[in-house]
Amino acid sequence: SQQGEEDPQALSIQEGENATMNCSYKTSINNLQWYRQNSGRGLVHLILIRSNEREKHSGRLRVTLDTSKKSSSLLITASRAADTASYFCATDAGGDMRFGAGTRLTVKP
Amino acid sequence: SQTIHQWPATLVQPVGSPLSLECTVEGTSNPNLYWYRQAAGRGLQLLFYSVGIGQISSEVPQNLSASRPQDRQFILSSKKLLLSDSGFYLCAWTVSTDTQYFGPGTRLTVL
Repeated sequence: SQQGEEDPQALSIQEGENATMNCSYKTSINNLQWYRQNSGRGLVHLILIRSNEREKHSGRLRVTLDTSKKSSSLLITASRAADTASYFCATDAGGDMRFGAGTRLTVKP
Repeated sequence: SQTIHQWPATLVQPVGSPLSLECTVEGTSNPNLYWYRQAAGRGLQLLFYSVGIGQISSEVPQNLSASRPQDRQFILSSKKLLLSDSGFYLCAWTVSTDTQYFGPGTRLTVL
């Protein structure tokens, strides 16, 4: 069963704009991860944030985690057409990882 | 470095036919292995995971089964496919409960 829920389901922006995707979950977690999936391909790990962390950066990616609200956000700054993909959050509650349904991001050149 | 292989990449099978999807991992020992299914436009659903040879845990009751005959080999099978088995099947590995590394996937279409 799914744990995380991404919001919005789909997002369309112009190149150069920032993209923000949100993830909400229901149970306490050890960490939360964001993955990217190009159409018809496997998932690629982007970033992991642990439950005792509040913010993490990796290049143009910025992830925040609010454990009191059970939510996380992924910000992609200065988006590029190559960022077009589906983005999934996954939660680790000490057992298996649970994935949300994903946000489909389209970056128009 | 570690790599993960899945084959075939695409598969079209008639309803009622058997299925065998294979996943192999290189460059690591005693990984945890996972099979996921992704329906069109949806997230990933965990089907099976394995922490060792011959050890299989099933997450969702269905007509699929999994086996791990070798440390780095994970097989997904079915005796009789259903239309609802169509989807994108992903294999993943990890050596901890942190990052999972995914294979390229198999697109299965059941007609």
